Amino acid sequence: DAGVIQSPRHEVTEMGQEVTLRCKPISGHNSLFWYRQTMMRGLELLIYFNNNVPIDDSGMPEDRFSAKMPNASFSTLKIQPSEPRDSAVYFCASSYRTGEAFFGQGTRLTVV
Amino acid sequence: AQSVTQPDIHITVSEGASLELRCNYSYGATPYLFWYVQSPGQGLQLLLKYFSGDTLVQGIKGFEAEFKRSQSSFNLRKPSVHWSDAAEYFCAVAPRGGGADGLTFGKGTHLIIQP
Repeated sequence: DAGVIQSPRHEVTEMGQEVTLRCKPISGHNSLFWYRQTMMRGLELLIYFNNNVPIDDSGMPEDRFSAKMPNASFSTLKIQPSEPRDSAVYFCASSYRTGEAFFGQGTRLTVV
Repeated sequence: AQSVTQPDIHITVSEGASLELRCNYSYGATPYLFWYVQSPGQGLQLLLKYFSGDTLVQGIKGFEAEFKRSQSSFNLRKPSVHWSDAAEYFCAVAPRGGGADGLTFGKGTHLIIQP
């Protein structure tokens, strides 16, 4: 398996623009997670899905953030409108029951 | 609420020397325990995990970790570090019997290897 695939790897956008991050989980995994990593706050869980259904989005910082998982092989994290404080590395991870999460390589987002 | 403490933000070790990274957790019951490594510009890679059984677990890249229930600790060790081990190391816990949805990460320890 190719592992968790995220795109793009890097994204630079202007404040106010919409940003969409994409994730393809490992085939057969039934849980998917979106994390954000910053120097100040470390790794934060934003939202996770189980069997394509959002289970806990309490980590989503504001209504500007939204996530979808239309099917078992694809998820998006959207920020609209983006702000400079959203600059971070966003990770997608997937798992199958065991408590062990497999991470993608991340998307480095810079909002100027 | 569960929490994970990695008391050392940075650790510097000479190449070839032994390494121990500390991890303490606060949890209602013994959780599942993990160590992940993150190289610069990369995602997190699982080094090892503890679910049950032998409290000394072996992982990839020559790492091991020991679960000590009495101390609520899960310290990571390596007998001889290599320059390629320079990275960020994260300890994580998840509820026993649960999935990765309960993963809680520590803040990480930045490992520096000096020649």
